[in-house]
Amino acid sequence: AQSVAQPEDQVNVAEGNPLTVKCTYSVSGNPYLFWYVQYPNRGLQFLLKYITGDNLVKGSYGFEAEFNKSQTSFHLKKPSALVSDSALYFCAVRDALRGNNRLAFGKGNQVVVIP
Amino acid sequence: EAGVAQSPRYKIIEKRQSVAFWCNPISGHATLYWYQQILGQGPKLLIQFQNNGVVDDSQLPKDRFSAERLKGVDSTLKIQPAKLEDSAVYLCASSQGAGAAGYEQYFGPGTRLTVT
Repeated sequence: AQSVAQPEDQVNVAEGNPLTVKCTYSVSGNPYLFWYVQYPNRGLQFLLKYITGDNLVKGSYGFEAEFNKSQTSFHLKKPSALVSDSALYFCAVRDALRGNNRLAFGKGNQVVVIP
Repeated sequence: EAGVAQSPRYKIIEKRQSVAFWCNPISGHATLYWYQQILGQGPKLLIQFQNNGVVDDSQLPKDRFSAERLKGVDSTLKIQPAKLEDSAVYLCASSQGAGAAGYEQYFGPGTRLTVT
């Protein structure tokens, strides 16, 4: 079954510094990869996804992620973090070979951007 | 476009009571999902509907949880009877499709259930 690992519980970064949130995945076939963000008392919001093509994917709010097949990783990045980026970030994967296969989420990373 | 709507936003019940949650997906979205998110964890899929048919309910505790999606639009999720470990946020999501096209899912605000 597919799974995601988000190794860090919390990521602290100073405002204006680069932000990286790590994600590694495991699937039997080719992966569809997603990043979502969750603000307090709100549902998850879609940020970006990798389906096929260019390994560097650009998404909402200046975020981007790089798909690395050899390292089975899909790290989320932002060149310059804002205080408003403080939230809970989830990486998710589904197996592209199985049409209705469920989306597996990681446990999430709390990002704290320090003013 | 309007997002995924859920109600109620908060619910507190005693164990062994029953509770129901309602979801209205984004208009035109064929696929609807119910997730359970326990504090400190990622969402876990409970059930997935394609139109009004169930395509995945393998992780739904069927002895106490039930869900339906009549007419392929709105959906309700019910818990009867509730246990303490059912305390969680219940998220509803919808997407245009569920096949290999990799559609993203759009989430509602969730219902926070506390079982005492």
